[in-house]
Amino acid sequence: GAVVSQHPSWVICKSGTSVKIECRSLDFQATTMFWYRQFPKQSLMLMATSNEGSKATYEQGVEKDKFLINHASLTLSTLTVTSAHPEDSSFYICSATSGGALETQYFGPGTRLLVL
Amino acid sequence: GQNIDQPTEMTATEGAIVQINCTYQTSGFNGLFWYQQHAGEAPTFLSYNVLDGLEEKGRFSSFLSRSKGYSYLLLKELQMKDSASYLCAVMDSNYQLIWGAGTKLIIKP
Repeated sequence: GAVVSQHPSWVICKSGTSVKIECRSLDFQATTMFWYRQFPKQSLMLMATSNEGSKATYEQGVEKDKFLINHASLTLSTLTVTSAHPEDSSFYICSATSGGALETQYFGPGTRLLVL
Repeated sequence: GQNIDQPTEMTATEGAIVQINCTYQTSGFNGLFWYQQHAGEAPTFLSYNVLDGLEEKGRFSSFLSRSKGYSYLLLKELQMKDSASYLCAVMDSNYQLIWGAGTKLIIKP
């Protein structure tokens, strides 16, 4: 089946630093990628949708200047958390689809971010 | 390797009961999640099992057997709005989520 990877798996950083998380589709071309964050035992909260070669669409309440998303190729999207603060500590999950938003999404394993 | 298996698609009738199975092989185990995802929407958390047994929550129940690497999601009194994909995910020893491909549930009147 389709595989999506994320890197890094874990990241611990100091408050005020920026952290980049990569999401890769390993065996298919992902025209659309989604970024979610998840708090323990809660639903995934969609942060943004990115289509290759165009600007990401952010959900209401998500600061686009703080969470920079780049979908430069059909196999790679990056999420950069700029000037991270402790409240940004969370589990960030990406998913990818070879079609649009209504197509099957393949999820990555997640990246745990801890901001000290 | 790590893998999660669940049926690709199931069909059931409104008002009936359906059981969606999930089997897993992972390096370590820190819990199993079930999510519901409607097309074009974010997955909604349904349940989390970390101990063996049945967890009941309204019309939905989830069962886990760690020794068998097996879980199921049981949906009772099916409603048309239950038509969705149901995702099984296991958290491994590194606290990474291993995802099943999802089961598309079709409810017929």
